[in-house]
Amino acid sequence: ETGVTQSPTHLIKTRGQQVTLRCSSQSGHNTVSWYQQALGQGPQFIFQYYREEENGRGNFPPRFSGLQFPNYSSELNVNALELDDSALYLCASSSMGYYEQYFGPGTRLTVT
Amino acid sequence: DQQVKQNSPSLSVQEGRISILNCDYTNSMFDYFLWYKKYPAEGPTFLISISSIKDKNEDGRFTVFLNKSAKHLSLHIVPSQPGDSAVYFCAAGLTGGGNKLTFGTGTQLKVEL
Repeated sequence: ETGVTQSPTHLIKTRGQQVTLRCSSQSGHNTVSWYQQALGQGPQFIFQYYREEENGRGNFPPRFSGLQFPNYSSELNVNALELDDSALYLCASSSMGYYEQYFGPGTRLTVT
Repeated sequence: DQQVKQNSPSLSVQEGRISILNCDYTNSMFDYFLWYKKYPAEGPTFLISISSIKDKNEDGRFTVFLNKSAKHLSLHIVPSQPGDSAVYFCAAGLTGGGNKLTFGTGTQLKVEL
């Protein structure tokens, strides 16, 4: 059974640029959620995708957007990067209706 | 507002003793709760969960207790091992709220020899 994978591992971007982060869900899971974890904080829910549609969104601006593909993999796109977007971005997969979410290793984004 | 709170940023315990990690929540609508463990440079790893219809769930060395009236849950690790040293996050969710989880800020557990 393949776990959740994310790419890239680390990324450095300049303020105002755009970034795309990728996630492959665990086999058998149809739901992908994205979280942002700032230093010293717990993960904050960004949004969730189920059946290729957004299925819930946290308190993040529209410049955070995403996609889910037919194979359940997902992308997180962030436009007009700000310094405060520097964080660990975590992807989690699950089966709709089940509590447990399984996380990938994360992508560390640094905005300078 | 912080709906899930872990008021102890750190905890130090001797190997073989019990570790007790605490979590409080404010939203009485939460109906399931989870604990995750996180090592540096890794994603959170699921440990154990509990539904609001139960007050205890046990899995090996890990037991979670839920006190709904106090809006409080705790994770007990017995016996504690050096490999348990990590950051522990409490998370809460709502059935019908999708799979969105609300996390606490974490407690750094250090198990000393």
